[in-house]
Amino acid sequence: NAGVMQNPRHLVRRRGQEARLRCSPMKGHSHVYWYRQLPEEGLKFMVYLQKENIIDESGMPKERFSAEFPKEGPSILRIQQVVRGDSAAYFCASSREALNTEAFFGQGTRLTVV
Amino acid sequence: ELKVEQNPLFLSMQEGKNYTIYCNYSTTSDRLYWYRQDPGKSLESLFVLLSNGAVKQEGRLMASLDTKARLSTLHITAAVHDLSATYFCAVTESGGSNYKLTFGKGTLLTVNP
Repeated sequence: NAGVMQNPRHLVRRRGQEARLRCSPMKGHSHVYWYRQLPEEGLKFMVYLQKENIIDESGMPKERFSAEFPKEGPSILRIQQVVRGDSAAYFCASSREALNTEAFFGQGTRLTVV
Repeated sequence: ELKVEQNPLFLSMQEGKNYTIYCNYSTTSDRLYWYRQDPGKSLESLFVLLSNGAVKQEGRLMASLDTKARLSTLHITAAVHDLSATYFCAVTESGGSNYKLTFGKGTLLTVNP
């Protein structure tokens, strides 16, 4: 049973480009969460998605960031027109249920904006 | 807004010594997690604590929870070099948003020979 799979593991983008981060949840998990970890900080919640629905995007920056979890395929976190401040590790987690259950984390995508 | 504070943020200790990392949180929570993160890696779940007075132990690590004081501790016994890592506590909100984890800033533990 493979864990949460994220790709790419490392991504370098120039300022102004788009970054697409992918997350495939564990088998049987339909709840996906994205977190961002800035250097020397804890993880911060960004968004919670179920298949085809955004449930809670209270942690998403208002502009340039979007997330989706289509019926088929991985969840995608998209960052348009990246800036240096977007450089961070982005972690995806998944769970079988939403409440009262543990989520399992992927290995993260480390985004560097140059 | 739920806030989580860990201390110390940096901890350098000698092998064989004992130490405790503290995690305070600001509002009622349903569950508390301790994670370990090695450089460039993901988070490894160490403990999940659900109720007041809960104590869990794994090897040289022991975690406890006092929900009245909103305090959890991670105690390290007779540290070894392999325990060097960053340790995070994370807390869920109560009720309908308890899918959301709020993390402390982490404690960077270095165990020296």
